[in-house]
Amino acid sequence: GENVEQHPSTLSVQEGDSAVIKCTYSDSASNYFPWYKQELGKRPQLIIDIRSNVGEKKDQRIAVTLNKTAKHFSLHITETQPEDSAVYFCAASPLELIFGTGTRLQVFP
Amino acid sequence: KAGVTQTPRYLIKTRGQQVTLSCSPISGHRSVSWYQQTPGQGLQFLFEYFSETQRNKGNFPGRFSGRQFSNSRSEMNVSTLELGDSALYLCASRPGQPNTEAFFGQGTRLTVV
Repeated sequence: GENVEQHPSTLSVQEGDSAVIKCTYSDSASNYFPWYKQELGKRPQLIIDIRSNVGEKKDQRIAVTLNKTAKHFSLHITETQPEDSAVYFCAASPLELIFGTGTRLQVFP
Repeated sequence: KAGVTQTPRYLIKTRGQQVTLSCSPISGHRSVSWYQQTPGQGLQFLFEYFSETQRNKGNFPGRFSGRQFSNSRSEMNVSTLELGDSALYLCASRPGQPNTEAFFGQGTRLTVV
């Protein structure tokens, strides 16, 4: 089955800096790659997703890149703000959604 | 449109007991997936139901089971509870097509003592 690895497990940045979270997946049948943000005590919510026919997608300060050959995909957050502090999960989907172990992002003012 | 609803929100059970958790998906969504969330382990996939049939299953022991009803509501059952089963159990609903956004419920916090 699909296996998703996510790094780093924790990430601390200064407000205004960029943050990058990386994931790798194992199943070449995966063709959908969403990213979820989970704030403390809340449910995970989708922030951006990308499908395998696209290499990059951007939404304001958030971008995701996908390298299908290397089975890598990454989340890029620019101009980070304190409200970006949360746990971020990547996922890959051959059919079911398989998640990485999460990255705790802390943005310090 | 109402979101995904999970009941109960909190549960305390004793080792050896069994428990049933419920998930009502967004109206019109036919797929319901269940996840176990523990610190450091992320969101571990338990199983997915679609149109009352289990479509996929994760690597959990047979003590974890589920079902889906004709109205797409789903239940998850854990028998012979162990201390290690203490976790937040999240369900997520999708319309049915695989590559679409999953909407999560608030979760059921299960504590086994």
